[in-house]
Amino acid sequence: SQQGEEDPQALSIQEGENATMNCSYKTSINNLQWYRQNSGRGLVHLILIRSNEREKHSGRLRVTLDTSKKSSSLLITASRAADTASYFCATDEAGGTSYGKLTFGQGTILTVHP
Amino acid sequence: KAGVTQTPRYLIKTRGQQVTLSCSPISGHRSVSWYQQTPGQGLQFLFEYFSETQRNKGNFPGRFSGRQFSNSRSEMNVSTLELGDSALYLCASSFGWTASNYGYTFGSGTRLTVV
Repeated sequence: SQQGEEDPQALSIQEGENATMNCSYKTSINNLQWYRQNSGRGLVHLILIRSNEREKHSGRLRVTLDTSKKSSSLLITASRAADTASYFCATDEAGGTSYGKLTFGQGTILTVHP
Repeated sequence: KAGVTQTPRYLIKTRGQQVTLSCSPISGHRSVSWYQQTPGQGLQFLFEYFSETQRNKGNFPGRFSGRQFSNSRSEMNVSTLELGDSALYLCASSFGWTASNYGYTFGSGTRLTVV
């Protein structure tokens, strides 16, 4: 079963615009991670934010985490056509028994038009 | 350094057959997890191995099994294939007891089609 929802399901923007994707989850977490997937291939790890962190930056990526609302957002600034992909949030659930297990959202399909 | 390697890349099998998929993690990574990705169910966790021990298992029938070797390479096996087993199977590896600091590195996947 999926941990939560991602919003929007699909996002279409022009190059140079910012893209924001949201993720909600249901349980307590150790951390939340964002991954990118191009055309049904493997997932690429983008960024990890721990449960005691509120914001993190990596290059053109900015991630926020609100554990009180059980939600996260991923902002990609100055989007490029090469950013076209599916983006997934994934949670590492707290509790000590979630070894190796990430629970994924359904993903947001981002299309960046040149 | 080499990434996570999954073989084969594509596979076509007939209902009722069995299949074995292979995953070689990044050198030094001792944790290997497997996921199934389908359009309907999305990404679902199958199982995780660390130092040859299965530490965690998802909600899949017993037809799905796996193992890990002493060099951390892992295999997963699906017996008595069903049409619904058609999916992209992804393997991921991480360094250390948990991936709380670094996340996971995924392979490119094995695309299994059951006909």
